[in-house]
Amino acid sequence: GAGVSQSPSNKVTEKGKDVELRCDPISGHTALYWYRQSLGQGLEFLIYFQGNSAPDKSGLPSDRFSAERTGGSVSTLTIQRTQQEDSAVYLCASSEQGAGVTEAFFGQGTRLTVV
Amino acid sequence: GDSVTQMEGPVTLSEEAFLTINCTYTATGYPSLFWYVQYPGEGLQLLLKATKADDKGSNKGFEATYRKETTSFHLEKGSVQVSDSAVYFCALALYGGATNKLIFGTGTLLAVQP
Repeated sequence: GAGVSQSPSNKVTEKGKDVELRCDPISGHTALYWYRQSLGQGLEFLIYFQGNSAPDKSGLPSDRFSAERTGGSVSTLTIQRTQQEDSAVYLCASSEQGAGVTEAFFGQGTRLTVV
Repeated sequence: GDSVTQMEGPVTLSEEAFLTINCTYTATGYPSLFWYVQYPGEGLQLLLKATKADDKGSNKGFEATYRKETTSFHLEKGSVQVSDSAVYFCALALYGGATNKLIFGTGTLLAVQP
């Protein structure tokens, strides 16, 4: 596809369940980012991938959050034992080299609701 | 740590009014500065950027000048339109080192009335 694709677009889950969010970046983009956008908040950085490695995972809020990237392409963000405070829009972005150098393109996001 | 502070909204203007959205930053190095925009129902997209001091970014009638002396990157437009209604995010990115992440402000909602 032409842009960053995220799935699902909406996810409702029960508290305590695990969820997986998927991101398909733009082909050829080596940098990939996950952000979280909560109501009334800005965009909170979660993790940055360069290729398949994650040199900066400083934004992951707890050990319930993890992410991986395979083949330098698709990335999955996993939240274990979801809590109500995890409810937010999770955004993925990709960039040809890195957001400080080349433009970052964002997906439409996954709206996660924990009930 | 590195951070971005932008004026809180919502900002409500009449069509053709002048717009300023203030943004200041704190950074340990020499960041690139950005304005991103999120139109209703759409994803976040880059509006303009500036990579060094005194650079002016511009796009769609919007402008912002990188002011190192005041650590600011205020967004301006001379005459807003209803179609400019959106949430605007100021951001910085530091190139090099272990990370290339964007650090965002909290966003400013702009509502333009006809």
